[in-house]
Amino acid sequence: AQTVTQSQPEMSVQEAETVTLSCTYDTSESDYYLFWYKQPPSRQMILVIRQEAYKQQNATENRFSVNFQKAAKSFSLKISDSQLGDAAMYFCAYRSGVDAGGTSYGKLTFGQGTILTVHP
Amino acid sequence: GAVVSQHPSWVICKSGTSVKIECRSLDFQATTMFWYRQFPKQSLMLMATSNEGSKATYEQGVEKDKFLINHASLTLSTLTVTSAHPEDSSFYICSAAGTRDVWTQYFGPGTRLLVL
Repeated sequence: AQTVTQSQPEMSVQEAETVTLSCTYDTSESDYYLFWYKQPPSRQMILVIRQEAYKQQNATENRFSVNFQKAAKSFSLKISDSQLGDAAMYFCAYRSGVDAGGTSYGKLTFGQGTILTVHP
Repeated sequence: GAVVSQHPSWVICKSGTSVKIECRSLDFQATTMFWYRQFPKQSLMLMATSNEGSKATYEQGVEKDKFLINHASLTLSTLTVTSAHPEDSSFYICSAAGTRDVWTQYFGPGTRLLVL
């Protein structure tokens, strides 16, 4: 079974600075997807970024980028120019690229989450 | 991003009653829907997975007779908490994957359930 580990229960950053959230995972699969989701105080889960394992290029979405190290099984999230609205709990998640029966069945395995505080 | 709604957002009920929570994909067809439970400052715990027209697949330790899941159409799944007890009080979140992007789950805003 796959596992996802976020070793930083809490992180803090000054507004406009850069912060990196860590995530490691364990899998024997070669085809998979990795995600970062953000859960602000409203508790709505919001997709931040997605990385396909077969892509060597790191995914980027505006101020959010990842450092995907497949051999090391590491998937960190970098938030540049941090804003007060970035304050949230961030979850790293793994999805197998193999579907059972050809249907879109894939479960997500979540990490424990990292609470990010942004100081003005 | 894809839009998933949940209703109600908040529900308070008496112990012993049943509560139904709806999850709808508003701008795509959801071939698969997922139901999660989350306690404060903790990660999401998958309860069950449902495919349209099929019986739900429950995770180990989740009582299928207590948490009834129905995925009757490609845009609607329901979770019914039967004979609710105070320990069922929690935050329930649904997600959907389908025609918008089969590899990505899009989440609803969640439902807070309080059982008195």
